[in-house]
Amino acid sequence: DAMVIQNPRYQVTQFGKPVTLSCSQTLNHNVMYWYQQKSSQAPKLLFHYYDKDFNNEADTPDNFQSRRPNTSFCFLDIRSPGLGDAAMYLCATSREGGVGSDTQYFGPGTRLTVL
Amino acid sequence: DQQVKQNSPSLSVQEGRISILNCDYTNSMFDYFLWYKKYPAEGPTFLISISSIKDKNEDGRFTVFLNKSAKHLSLHIVPSQPGDSAVYFCAATLLGDKLIFGTGTLLAVQP
Repeated sequence: DAMVIQNPRYQVTQFGKPVTLSCSQTLNHNVMYWYQQKSSQAPKLLFHYYDKDFNNEADTPDNFQSRRPNTSFCFLDIRSPGLGDAAMYLCATSREGGVGSDTQYFGPGTRLTVL
Repeated sequence: DQQVKQNSPSLSVQEGRISILNCDYTNSMFDYFLWYKKYPAEGPTFLISISSIKDKNEDGRFTVFLNKSAKHLSLHIVPSQPGDSAVYFCAATLLGDKLIFGTGTLLAVQP
């Protein structure tokens, strides 16, 4: 089945220790998104790639970086995680990125714990 | 500043009855509204959407109503089934830009 896969599902890191979250997709979609969802809050877009073009949200901290080496994979790098970065991180894809009628498909998320 | 609000964190409904989930928004320029459904340990999945030029969209048991003057939309599920128990997120977009989500409503359908 075509899908969006996130690894690992649970990630524990130490305060200040760099961590990388992984997302892969078999849908061959052009657009890949990373969202952060803190407890009881709405998912919040961090950035997205349209093909190789990186689009950062204005309020995304510099601590968060992303890489998309090919169509299938996208990585979220947190350079120096703080306690406030503990959250669920959701990866999503869409075919063309015209959000209104272009459905976004989400992975199951990676829950990040920062000790 | 939350532009999309779901003021009810949870809702409990009996099987077979109607579930009504509500969503309010502040930006009158939003042009598309979507509902996503999320089961535990899974990512959100698209459920139904509505363009701002319409006031109703129906898909099987699911109907979304949009009241632009009140900046309010609602999702009706009729009849509700135990398998509908999930978190429901309302989301909005502006000119094809990013999804702006609400905080979600946990629906519990009691058998």
